[in-house]
Amino acid sequence: EVQLVESGGGLVQPGRSLRLSCAASGFTFGDFAVSWFRQAPGKGLEWVGFIRAKFYSETTEYAASVKGRFTISRDDSKSVAYLQMNSLKTEDTAVYYCTKYGGMPDSWGQGTLVTVSP
Amino acid sequence: DVVMTQTPLSSPVTLGQPASISCMSSQSLVHRDGDTYLSWLHQRPGQSPRLLIYKISNRFSGAPDRFSGSGAGTDFTLKISRVEAEDVGIYYCMQSTHFPWTFGQGTTVEVK
Repeated sequence: EVQLVESGGGLVQPGRSLRLSCAASGFTFGDFAVSWFRQAPGKGLEWVGFIRAKFYSETTEYAASVKGRFTISRDDSKSVAYLQMNSLKTEDTAVYYCTKYGGMPDSWGQGTLVTVSP
Repeated sequence: DVVMTQTPLSSPVTLGQPASISCMSSQSLVHRDGDTYLSWLHQRPGQSPRLLIYKISNRFSGAPDRFSGSGAGTDFTLKISRVEAEDVGIYYCMQSTHFPWTFGQGTTVEVK
């Protein structure tokens, strides 16, 4: 069974950093891209960023709202993807989800809540 | 950025009756590889989203066959042949043809 589990969320002050993890199981992690999404309280879904598989050089894409502040990486040996979030803003408050991506965003995790507040 | 526009934003439905949601994109979603990366997701209250339909009309594993997707280019539709109680929640269309990937506003399906 494909499973993705996000962790690392919590309460953080504006301007600080946080790193989220996405632990995957049930599939050959290295063969797939991984994408991160978020959902602010009571709001719709927003794409955050994407990392391609090693075959495609693990290149990344980001939403304009996080570009330059957030970095996605992966460790295929551990089947884990990361979302490094720097210079956090109050508007980054959201539940963050990771998904396996093979042409579509399947297998969403349960999400991890990030709250950015003074 | 590609703007995704869903209609209606709210859909009160009667159990056992059909329902339909439209999604229009501001530009063609045909990728240079020939595929169209238009997905439909369902989010029940308090739960994570789950994929229902990908590449316009392909049902994802576990999605009931009462769900179907259709369309091409910029106009897409999700249909539920007979709404069941478990189908309530918010439905989103999403395009992953062009970066940044974008979502529709969401359509809330509720039972009358």
